[in-house]
Amino acid sequence: DAGVTQSPTHLIKTRGQQVTLRCSPKSGHDTVSWYQQALGQGPQFIFQYYEEEERQRGNFPDRFSGHQFPNYSSELNVNALLLGDSALYLCASSESWSNQPQHFGDGTRLSIL
Amino acid sequence: AQSVTQLGSHVSVSEGALVLLRCNYSSSVPPYLFWYVQYPNQGLQLLLKYTSAATLVKGINGFEAEFKKSETSFHLTKPSAHMSDAAEYFCAVIESGGYNKLIFGAGTRLAVHP
Repeated sequence: DAGVTQSPTHLIKTRGQQVTLRCSPKSGHDTVSWYQQALGQGPQFIFQYYEEEERQRGNFPDRFSGHQFPNYSSELNVNALLLGDSALYLCASSESWSNQPQHFGDGTRLSIL
Repeated sequence: AQSVTQLGSHVSVSEGALVLLRCNYSSSVPPYLFWYVQYPNQGLQLLLKYTSAATLVKGINGFEAEFKKSETSFHLTKPSAHMSDAAEYFCAVIESGGYNKLIFGAGTRLAVHP
């Protein structure tokens, strides 16, 4: 049973560029959440997708956007990259309408030069 | 707003010694609490969860945590540390009224020395 998979594992971009990160949820999960983990910090919630709609959003600017596809996979897009966007981006999946724990992928390490 | 505080950003123990990682939460409603572990260059792995069924929760790899409402605490313990326990540990709470949104503490890095 495949868990949460994310691609790519590493990415290097320059300031001002745009990036797309991808996530496939664990089998049976229909809800995808994205988190940003800066170096030495705990993960911060970006947003959550369910039924192809953004259901909840954290304190992140509109430069951060996402999408969920009919097969529940998801993308995170970041425009106009800043140096401060350098972080580990984690995708987590879960079943909807429950307080069941989220299952995390190994993340995408994004470095901005 | 709910929050999680992890006391001690770094904890160092000897192999075989007791592991105690501290977590305090703030919540106006009964919380759902979790402990996750993160090994280098990896994502987060669930150690255990508290969902109000029992105050003492047993998790994987010999870890357990006790929910104490009076102290608003959910400390993680393991009787005997192993070298493989060296990792970053995160306490998290589900935001009430949200949709499984996790609020994390800043993390505690556990070092285990021979």
